[in-house]
Amino acid sequence: DGGITQSPKYLFRKEGQNVTLSCEQNLNHDAMYWYRQDPGQGLRLIYYSQIVNDFQKGDIAEGYSVSREKKESFPLTVTSAQKNPTAFYLCASSIEGSQLQYFGPGTRLTVT
Amino acid sequence: GENVGLHLPTLSVQEGDNSIINCAYSNSASDYFIWYKQESGKGPQFIIDIRSNMDKRQGQRVTVLLNKTVKHLSLQIAATQPGDSAVYFCAETSDTGRRALTFGSGTRLQVQP
Repeated sequence: DGGITQSPKYLFRKEGQNVTLSCEQNLNHDAMYWYRQDPGQGLRLIYYSQIVNDFQKGDIAEGYSVSREKKESFPLTVTSAQKNPTAFYLCASSIEGSQLQYFGPGTRLTVT
Repeated sequence: GENVGLHLPTLSVQEGDNSIINCAYSNSASDYFIWYKQESGKGPQFIIDIRSNMDKRQGQRVTVLLNKTVKHLSLQIAATQPGDSAVYFCAETSDTGRRALTFGSGTRLQVQP
C-alpha cells in the first residue's frame, strides 16, 4: 500500500524538549516538504528538500531542523527554540518535475 | 503575500445545490494552481489542478476556473453532497524559483442535508 506515513498521529511534549516528527514515503518521490497548520489557517512551509542530502528553509524555518539522509524519509525536529510549537504538522512529497504535492495524514503536536 | 486569517469564511449550501468556492492569489508569476480538500484532523487531498495556459478544467463533479487578469481562481462543485463538507484550500506555485506551494487561508464548506 503506497503512500506517505506520519507518526505518531498525536504527540505531547513538555516545553523545553526537542521532539522529532517522522515522515516516510514509499512513492519514490524525490521532493519532500514540511508544513505547519494552525487552527483556522492555511499551511505554511517550514522546510523542503528536492533531493537527498539537500534541503532549503521555507517561510517559517526558525526553531525547526530537518535531515534528508534517505530518499524515503524526511524527519522534522521541533526544537526548544520554537516559540509556539503547538500545531498540526503536515508532510508532503512530489515526484521530480511535478509541482503536485501529496500529503500525509499529519501529526498534531501539543507542547505544554 | 499570504493572506492568513483567524476565522475561516464559511459557505453553507443545501445538499444537491451547486457550490462555488473562490480564491484570490497574489503572485502574477504563478503558473500552476491546485485545489485541495481537507477534512477535520486529516491531511489535504488533491481535488483538481490547472495550469496558467488554461482557463477552465473539469473533473468529476468539479470544475476549476482561472482568471489570470484579476488573479482569481474558483472551484465549482456540482450537486454538492454531505461528504463534500470540508475545508477547501487553493494553492499556487511557479515553475521557477522555489517551486513550493503557497496556500490560501481556506474556505469551510458546510452541506446541509
